[in-house]
Amino acid sequence: QVQLVESGGGVVQPGRSLRLSCAASGFTFGTYGTHWVRQAPGKGLEWVAVIWYDGSNEFYTESVKGRFTISRDNSKSTLSLQMNNLRAEDTAVYYCARASGGGNSAFFDSWGQGTLVTVSS
Amino acid sequence: SYVLTQPPSVSVAPGQTARISCGGGNIGSKTVHWYQQRPGQAPVVVIYYDSDRPSGIPERFSGSNSGNTATLTISRVEAGDEADYYCQVWDGSSNHYVFGTGTKVTVL
Repeated sequence: QVQLVESGGGVVQPGRSLRLSCAASGFTFGTYGTHWVRQAPGKGLEWVAVIWYDGSNEFYTESVKGRFTISRDNSKSTLSLQMNNLRAEDTAVYYCARASGGGNSAFFDSWGQGTLVTVSS
Repeated sequence: SYVLTQPPSVSVAPGQTARISCGGGNIGSKTVHWYQQRPGQAPVVVIYYDSDRPSGIPERFSGSNSGNTATLTISRVEAGDEADYYCQVWDGSSNHYVFGTGTKVTVL
């Protein structure tokens, strides 16, 4: 069955960096676009970034542009999120999610269990 | 940026019908998806492509989309339907994916 397992979360000071990983299994990873979605404590879902199935394109929400970098290794079925210059407002549970459907009709059909990132001094 | 507005909460008695709105400019021209998130769990898609239901999702869940409002309807509500629900679209003008503000469904 499809499985997405995030890791790498933790407590980090403002201005520092953290790298999240998502290990995929149960499907052909290299044929799906994959995303990071976050949820601040007690708040709603916020889309963070996407990378196309072949890594040819990336898009980011405005608040993380220039600080976060999404990447993938299709040979290892792994998705990553490099987060630099972290801010308190980046505190959230970070989910990786697989997208089905293309372009303007893509939806998230599988999600990981999430990893908590806490930015605090 | 494109904004999707949902009512913060909806309360419904067991066996009744819950309707959750998702408002956005000309949302009828976009494809809408709906997610259910129970406390402490990851979201699960319950409706995709406006009105399609994934396997395993009860027929009690249905969706519609027209004009400036998309709607998720839950018929014959059960206690297990108590959760947060989010709508989602893709905003082509920014290449961003957008979630609604979320609605907490309470079963009385």
